[in-house]
Amino acid sequence: SAVISQKPSRDICQRGTSLTIQCQVDSQVTMMFWYRQQPGQSLTLIATANQGSEATYESGFVIDKFPISRPNLTFSTLTVSNMSPEDSSIYLCSVSQGQGKSPLHFGNGTRLTVT
Amino acid sequence: GQSLEQPSEVTAVEGAIVQINCTYQTSGFYGLSWYQQHDGGAPTFLSYNALDGLEETGRFSSFLSRSDSYGYLLLQELQMKDSASYFCAVRDGGSYKYIFGTGTRLKVLA
Repeated sequence: SAVISQKPSRDICQRGTSLTIQCQVDSQVTMMFWYRQQPGQSLTLIATANQGSEATYESGFVIDKFPISRPNLTFSTLTVSNMSPEDSSIYLCSVSQGQGKSPLHFGNGTRLTVT
Repeated sequence: GQSLEQPSEVTAVEGAIVQINCTYQTSGFYGLSWYQQHDGGAPTFLSYNALDGLEETGRFSSFLSRSDSYGYLLLQELQMKDSASYFCAVRDGGSYKYIFGTGTRLKVLA
């Protein structure tokens, strides 16, 4: 299965600033996704990162707040912009090959605290 | 809208058998998966059902009934290390994205 490196693993940021989270995979993957998870809660899909084109955002998430890049099949970034304390959460990168039984594999997550 | 409902918490003793249910309402369906997540860790894949019936993987089995929009994860011979959160997830065939259930926290007691 794919090995996913996600950086940073955690950060404490001031409100109004932005943080960019990186996700690097050791092999080419078809699908890359970004999820958000509050402690003790389920995973909420933010967007699908599309290679070479704009990401596909889920309801409630917009590009201005969560810009995403995916320049190739092994790398993606998620930026959390103009942060507020409500953005404090765990952000998870996940990948799959898309077809058939292909499961999701997750990075170890970025624990973000906004003060 | 899409929703996947699970019991919030289940408690059992070591060596017991426990079943975690998942009922779903989704606009597209391309299989039901189960993931395990220990505190502070990332979710890891356990099993996948595309067709009705039971899939067995060691101590874990997963069942799907598409007509009932229902599935469950069965954990046998429970061990302390099975204490974790378990999530069902539905894959949307058109977009390949996964929507996750509400999650079940399993506590295994000695």
